[in-house]
Amino acid sequence: AQSVTQPDIHITVSEGASLELRCNYSYGATPYLFWYVQSPGQGLQLLLKYFSGDTLVQGIKGFEAEFKRSQSSFNLRKPSVHWSDAAEYFCAVSGGYQKVTFGTGTKLQVIP
Amino acid sequence: SQTIHQWPATLVQPVGSPLSLECTVEGTSNPNLYWYRQAAGRGLQLLFYSVGIGQISSEVPQNLSASRPQDRQFILSSKKLLLSDSGFYLCAWSVETGWDNQPQHFGDGTRLSIL
Repeated sequence: AQSVTQPDIHITVSEGASLELRCNYSYGATPYLFWYVQSPGQGLQLLLKYFSGDTLVQGIKGFEAEFKRSQSSFNLRKPSVHWSDAAEYFCAVSGGYQKVTFGTGTKLQVIP
Repeated sequence: SQTIHQWPATLVQPVGSPLSLECTVEGTSNPNLYWYRQAAGRGLQLLFYSVGIGQISSEVPQNLSASRPQDRQFILSSKKLLLSDSGFYLCAWSVETGWDNQPQHFGDGTRLSIL
C-alpha cells in the first residue's frame, strides 16, 4: 500500500529565509506526486505535481520540488519565504486508480 | 474554467439530527468526485469517491453515505449524526482519464460541529 510521511509537523522560518519541507513516500512503482497548500478554514490548493521526466518541478507561488527516487523523497522548496506563505502544506501520492494518499501535513509559521 | 462549490461553509447540528452537505462542479463533464474528512493532525481521510452518476465507492465504513444524483453533484448525508462526525469536510474533483495521474481540486470545505 502506498503511504506518505511528512516528518515535520510544524516549521518556523523567518521571512526572507529559504524553506524546505520534507516528504517521503512509499510506492512500488513510479509514483505521481503532488504538493498542496491549505490556508486556515480553506480547501487545498495544488502547488505542483510530478508525473515523470525532469526531477525538479516548478509550481505556483515560487515553489519547486525535487523528486529523488533513490531517497523516495519529494521535498518542497522556496528560496525566499513571504509572510503570506504561512499555511499548512500537504504532500500526496497517487498510485492506484482513484487512490490518493495525503500526508498529515506540515504547518509553516513565518516570523518577521 | 472549472469551479467547485461546497455549502454550507459552516454547520452546527445536534447529535442525532440528519445531515446533507452538497458539492457541485462547473465547467467540466464526467468528473471524478470525492468526499474527504480532515481532522487536526491527521491529514485527509477519503470517505467516498464516485466515477459516475449513481456510482459510489466507500472507503471507510461509518455513519455517513454519499450520492451522486447528477453528473456534477455530490451529496454527503447522514440519517443520525454522532459526536464523532464533527470535522472539516472537503469535496474534490478530478478529470477522469482512466489513469491515476490527475490532481484533485478542492472546494472550500464545510466545518461541521456536532453538539
